[in-house]
Amino acid sequence: ETGVTQSPTHLIKTRGQQVTLRCSSQSGHNTVSWYQQALGQGPQFIFQYYREEENGRGNFPPRFSGLQFPNYSSELNVNALELDDSALYLCASSQTTGYSEQYFGPGTRLTVT
Amino acid sequence: QQPVQSPQAVILREGEDAVINCSSSKALYSVHWYRQKHGEAPVFLMILLKGGEQKGHDKISASFNEKKQQSSLYLTASQLSYSGTYFCGTGGYTDKLIFGTGTRLQVFP
Repeated sequence: ETGVTQSPTHLIKTRGQQVTLRCSSQSGHNTVSWYQQALGQGPQFIFQYYREEENGRGNFPPRFSGLQFPNYSSELNVNALELDDSALYLCASSQTTGYSEQYFGPGTRLTVT
Repeated sequence: QQPVQSPQAVILREGEDAVINCSSSKALYSVHWYRQKHGEAPVFLMILLKGGEQKGHDKISASFNEKKQQSSLYLTASQLSYSGTYFCGTGGYTDKLIFGTGTRLQVFP
């Protein structure tokens, strides 16, 4: 059973650029949630995807968007990057949208200069 | 809306016990506990569901008081590997996890 994987590991972008982050969910999981974690803070919920549909969104602007594919892998896209977008981006997969445990990937460290 | 954790930090010797608390201002349907080591992803420890169901770790226990909207994580006979930052994640009816403020735990030999 493979765990949750994310790519890339690190990324440096310039303000105003666009970025795409990728996540492969754990085998058997159909739900992916994305989180932003600033240094010293807890993860902040961005949105969740269940069977290719967005299933809830946190307090993030529309320039944060996502996709889920038929194999349940997922992408997070961020347009018009701002300096405050610098953070660790985590994805987590779970078996259902119900109250099941979430398993996190190693994260992508995004730095915006 | 972010759950508040206490204490903010704990320092222990190996073998000592600790309790970490998580309190929410919203009605809770689930509480999730995670441990995160520096530079690593959060690791699932335990989930507690409204109605009493629990799923989790053999050596860690937790309680969930639905009326008080509180949960506590009990770490007994701590080991060096327990060091890290502990986060609770609370789920309301919409089931989206809101993570708490975090508790930093350090265990020394």
